[in-house]
Amino acid sequence: GAGVSQSPRYKVTKRGQDVALRCDPISGHVSLYWYRQALGQGPEFLTYFNYEAQQDKSGLPNDRFSAERPEGSISTLTIQRTEQRDSAMYRCASSLNLAGGYEQFFGPGTRLTVL
Amino acid sequence: GQSLEQPSEVTAVEGAIVQINCTYQTSGFYGLSWYQQHDGGAPTFLSYNALDGLEETGRFSSFLSRSDSYGYLLLQELQMKDSASYFCAVRDVAAGNKLTFGGGTRVLVKP
Repeated sequence: GAGVSQSPRYKVTKRGQDVALRCDPISGHVSLYWYRQALGQGPEFLTYFNYEAQQDKSGLPNDRFSAERPEGSISTLTIQRTEQRDSAMYRCASSLNLAGGYEQFFGPGTRLTVL
Repeated sequence: GQSLEQPSEVTAVEGAIVQINCTYQTSGFYGLSWYQQHDGGAPTFLSYNALDGLEETGRFSSFLSRSDSYGYLLLQELQMKDSASYFCAVRDVAAGNKLTFGGGTRVLVKP
């Protein structure tokens, strides 16, 4: 079956522009997570959803970052007024159910470059 | 909050055994997961321990000691394809389904 997909795979933008990163989780997966991963580092938690409800957004760096999952499936991570320090790999993951968060299925990521 | 420590790099030869240690600090430990990530790829789930002891999955095994806040991933009969980064990740009762990842251990397998 289809895994987690993310789009775009690569995004180059100019400083000050807004960007929207999309995540399509595995069908039927209840939980959806957003991470940021720097080269050579582990994924850094940003936020996660159970169904359409945002459960924890403690990892979002500042109020320029927001995420939504309005219908409990596809999610969008939006970064407003991008800055060069936002350049990173943004990864999405999903897990089957509320008890299964230890096994997360990751997407290929979106490589964001802010010029 | 949570914190995890694991070695940054390990080098070994084909056929050898490698043990990657992970120590963690968390206020409400629930379980420890291990993930593998090849260069340019996405992290993939390897194993999970919620209880003390050893979990074996083929050539890979994972161990947990809750009292010592310590776990390890054991890679046996190393193959070239095992060259990758390995991350431990802790699940915390208070944090719901959220995982906190360690910095990763890069394993380099030489012929």
